[in-house]
Amino acid sequence: DQQVKQNSPSLSVQEGRISILNCDYTNSMFDYFLWYKKYPAEGPTFLISISSIKDKNEDGRFTVFLNKSAKHLSLHIVPSQPGDSAVYFCAALPNSGNTPLVFGKGTRLSVIA
Amino acid sequence: GAGVSQSPSNKVTEKGKDVELRCDPISGHTALYWYRQRLGQGLEFLIYFQGNSAPDKSGLPSDRFSAERTGESVSTLTIQRTQQEDSAVYLCASSLDGTGGAGELFFGEGSRLTVL
Repeated sequence: DQQVKQNSPSLSVQEGRISILNCDYTNSMFDYFLWYKKYPAEGPTFLISISSIKDKNEDGRFTVFLNKSAKHLSLHIVPSQPGDSAVYFCAALPNSGNTPLVFGKGTRLSVIA
Repeated sequence: GAGVSQSPSNKVTEKGKDVELRCDPISGHTALYWYRQRLGQGLEFLIYFQGNSAPDKSGLPSDRFSAERTGESVSTLTIQRTQQEDSAVYLCASSLDGTGGAGELFFGEGSRLTVL
C-alpha cells in the first residue's frame, strides 16, 4: 500500500515555463516532507523540504507547497531549465521517532528547450 | 570520504548465486539505509541502521536478504540464492543521525544488480 503517491509518472514542460510536480500521502502521522532529484546513473540528491508547521518553503527557483488538510504537496520549479530534467521523488517522514523516509515512485520531468 | 561510496557499481550474476553489495557511508554519519529501485518502481526501503540500536529490518523482502554494519562504518547487503526479481539498483544512504529531524539522506550512486 503506497503511503506516498506520485500519480504522474512523467511530465514534459517547455523551458522557461513552470513545472508542477504533485505528491499525495495517506499517513496523517507524516510531518516532514522532502523532494529528491535523481539523474540517470546517480543517486538521488536532496532538493528541498518542508515541515508540517509550514505551508510553503522557497529556495531559489524551487518552491514546495503543503496542504495538510488535503494531504497533498507540490513542487514548483520556475522558470524550468533543461538541466532540471530528472526524476523527482517525494518523500515523507513520520513524527514517531527513528523511522526511514517513505518515498513515492517518482515523476520523470523533461524540460524541452 | 566526501560522499557515500558503493561497490560494485554493476554486478551481473546467475540465478541462484549469492551476491554482496558494499556501502561506505559519509564519515561521522550514524544512520545508514539501504533502498532498492526496481525498474519502473520507486525507492523501496530495505533496512536501516542507527548507531548501536538493533537495525530496522522491516523492509527486507525475504530471508534471502540480510545486512550487516560494522560499528558506524561500512555496511554489506547480502542476497542469497538470487532470483531474477532481485534485479534492481540497490541504493545506500547515510545521514548525520537517525532522528529524522532533518530527514536529509545522502545517497550513493547505487549498485546495479542484474540476475540472469
